[in-house]
Amino acid sequence: DVKVTQSSRYLVKRTGEKVFLECVQDMDHENMFWYRQDPGLGLRLIYFSYDVKMKEKGDIPEGYSVSREKKERFSLILESASTNQTSMYLCASVSRGNTEAFFGQGTRLTVV
Amino acid sequence: SQQGEEDPQALSIQEGENATMNCSYKTSINNLQWYRQNSGRGLVHLILIRSNEREKHSGRLRVTLDTSKKSSSLLITASRAADTASYFCATDDSSASKIIFGSGTRLSIRP
Repeated sequence: DVKVTQSSRYLVKRTGEKVFLECVQDMDHENMFWYRQDPGLGLRLIYFSYDVKMKEKGDIPEGYSVSREKKERFSLILESASTNQTSMYLCASVSRGNTEAFFGQGTRLTVV
Repeated sequence: SQQGEEDPQALSIQEGENATMNCSYKTSINNLQWYRQNSGRGLVHLILIRSNEREKHSGRLRVTLDTSKKSSSLLITASRAADTASYFCATDDSSASKIIFGSGTRLSIRP
């Protein structure tokens, strides 16, 4: 079974901190995604990557950056956390040529 | 950006009844998928229907796709309490590698 692991289920950070959310997948998938999920807004795409060191902006990239140094790991970085970044963050991976996305369990981030 | 929009936003039905959720999208797609999310968890893939298909079944799930109306429906037959979850449709961007999700339908099954 494909496994997508996010480093934390729950995280509390202070405003202005630099925050790293890590995602690791074990099935050699090329494509990886970061979404945030807020009530009534569904999943919104922040960034995605289709190869090592490649990244593309999604619909709401402001305030975020990403890093893909290894194929299995896709990191989401909040450069300076703000309270409006309090949300559920979901990582997903997809094999190239396929479209079924496999999700991690989510990280609920609270910025205080 | 294209996005699936689910309808209704919330649905509450009696156990044993059928549940129908609808999804509309804006641009051409290669395929459409439905996912399920239990409270506070990640999403799990349920079923995929390709743009050249009109209907697909998987167990108690039935999905239809009408590309002329840019809409899809998910039918869950003989609902069970364990079906309580949020359901999302997702479409791919045919020109890129993005998968775009809708806002979801929250389904509650009453015992």
